[in-house]
Amino acid sequence: SAVISQKPSRDICQRGTSLTIQCQVDSQVTMMFWYRQQPGQSLTLIATANQGSEATYESGFVIDKFPISRPNLTFSTLTVSNMSPEDSSIYLCSAVTGTYGYTFGSGTRLTVV
Amino acid sequence: QKEVEQDPGPLSVPEGAIVSLNCTYSNSAFQYFMWYRQYSRKGPELLMYTYSSGNKEDGRFTAQVDKSSKYISLFIRDSQPSDSATYLCAMRGDGGATNKLIFGTGTLLAVQP
Repeated sequence: SAVISQKPSRDICQRGTSLTIQCQVDSQVTMMFWYRQQPGQSLTLIATANQGSEATYESGFVIDKFPISRPNLTFSTLTVSNMSPEDSSIYLCSAVTGTYGYTFGSGTRLTVV
Repeated sequence: QKEVEQDPGPLSVPEGAIVSLNCTYSNSAFQYFMWYRQYSRKGPELLMYTYSSGNKEDGRFTAQVDKSSKYISLFIRDSQPSDSATYLCAMRGDGGATNKLIFGTGTLLAVQP
């Protein structure tokens, strides 16, 4: 199955700054997803990123806050902009690697102070 | 009402016990059902998957889907300390707007040696 490398694995950031999270897949994939995982809550889908098109954002998430790039079939970035403590969470990228195969990166643990 | 409900636990069992993890859902369009295992500070990894109703067995793990009751289960036989993790159910439909993977909140399992 595909392997997804995600970095940074963790970071502590000052409020008002931005952090870009990178996600690299070891094979070409059409669909990639970005999730947020908060303690005691489900994984929440932020957006779907397809190569060559604008990302599709879920309700409650906007491009100005979470801009996404998808320059090719193996790479994507998520930026968390103008951060506040409420953005502290684990951010995960995922890619469709088969009918059932939604493979995940190991996550980025973000703390905003 | 959430689309997917899962008892968050925590669930603590002795080594060798049979573990039953469950999820209920409300969207009758869901056709693909998955269980993910997530170790601490790691991304979710696909453990079991089924399509539509029925049972599937893989070693010590059995996944069951009852679409008439909108209820899915994961059974772990002869549980081991290495099974200690958070288990997330996930499901999606067959395409279009129902293609997004919807997760339960996860059940934290601890298997005591």
